[in-house]
This record gives sequence, C-alpha cells and structure tokens, in this order.
Amino acid sequence: GAGVSQSPSNKVTEKGKDVELRCDPISGHTALYWYRQSLGQGLEFLIYFQGNSAPDKSGLPSDRFSAERTGGSVSTLTIQRTQQEDSAVYLCASSLMGDTQYFGPGTRLTVL
Amino acid sequence: KQEVTQIPAALSVPEGENLVLNCSFTDSAIYNLQWFRQDPGKGLTSLLLIQSSQREQTSGRLNASLDKSSGRSTLYIAASQPGDSATYLCAPFMNRDDKIIFGKGTRLHILP
Repeated sequence: GAGVSQSPSNKVTEKGKDVELRCDPISGHTALYWYRQSLGQGLEFLIYFQGNSAPDKSGLPSDRFSAERTGGSVSTLTIQRTQQEDSAVYLCASSLMGDTQYFGPGTRLTVL
Repeated sequence: KQEVTQIPAALSVPEGENLVLNCSFTDSAIYNLQWFRQDPGKGLTSLLLIQSSQREQTSGRLNASLDKSSGRSTLYIAASQPGDSATYLCAPFMNRDDKIIFGKGTRLHILP
C-alpha cells in the first residue's frame, strides 16, 4: 500500500474486555512505532520495533499492554482488561532506520 | 532523558502574517529533528526533517532551522493561510536506531 494503515479506525469496547489494534506499515520499513494520544494531550510513546532487535517497551503504561510484530511487518497492539483511562487515539508509524516517520490515521479507542 | 518544549502552546494570527514556532530540547546529541503537523482528528504528517549536520531545511513556505548546540529549532511559516491551521509538533530523534521524542505541540489558528 501507499501508506501506513491501521484497523479498526474506531473501536468501542466495555471495561474489562480485551482489544487488538492492527498496524500495517509501509513495505520495507524496518522501524515501527506505537504511540497514543489522549484527548487534548501530546503523543505518548508506547513501544518501538527495529528490525530483528528486541523491542523497546519502555513506554508501555502497564502489563496489560503488549505488542508484537510478525515477520518484520504487521504489528498488533493488545490491551487486556481495558480500563476507561485507556480511551485514546492509538497511532502507529513506520520508517526506515533514522529516517522520516510516516503515521497511520490512528485507531480511536473508547472504553465504556 | 530528552525533554522537548514548544512555545507558544497556542497561537492565533491573521492570514498573511509570517510566524515562528519555537522548539527547545534538553539533550543536544540528536541524530535528526522532524517537524510534523496534525490536523484535528487525524494522524501526523511529516513536514521537514533536518539532519544534525544541517542548519536548515526549506519546503515551500516552510523553513526549519536547527541550532543543535543550543538545543533549539524554529519553524518559520511565510504568508500564513487558513489551511495552515493545525497543531505543529517538534520531534528530535536521539539515535539512528532509537525512538523519537515529541513535544506537546503548538496549536496554530490562522484567522481569515
């Protein structure tokens, strides 16, 4: 595809349910990033994948959050036992190492 | 730990004015620095990327400068237009294989 895609675009879930958010990066991009943006707030780094290196998970807010990247391409961010404070827009970006980051349109997560 | 500050947090100016958005960062050992814009409810769009060895980059009416030693970057927008209204984010990249750190952004509103 021409750019980074994310699915779903919107997700409404009930407190306590698990959710999976998907990111399809630009083909050939070795780096993949997940961020979240709460209403009126800046971007909060969550996790970073670079090639075959161990991911940088330093931004994950709790052990309810996890992410994987299969085959160096598609990534899934999983949030277990969702809480209302998890409501945010989750943004994915990809890049060649050290180069311009290209962002997807985001997934808006609402936890009721 | 890198900290990024953007001033002002918000700015409203009449159409046609030239304006400057400021970004400062605490750790000057950056690899590059990017400026992004974010439209309401949308993902981020990369505007300019300045390598640490460069002092400025230009794209159309946009000019970004970098003073790495003093930890500062500015984004200059010439002849502002209502379509420039968005949030502008500054993001220094620490190492070629490291994550990017975002400022909280400057919310720009151009009055027609």
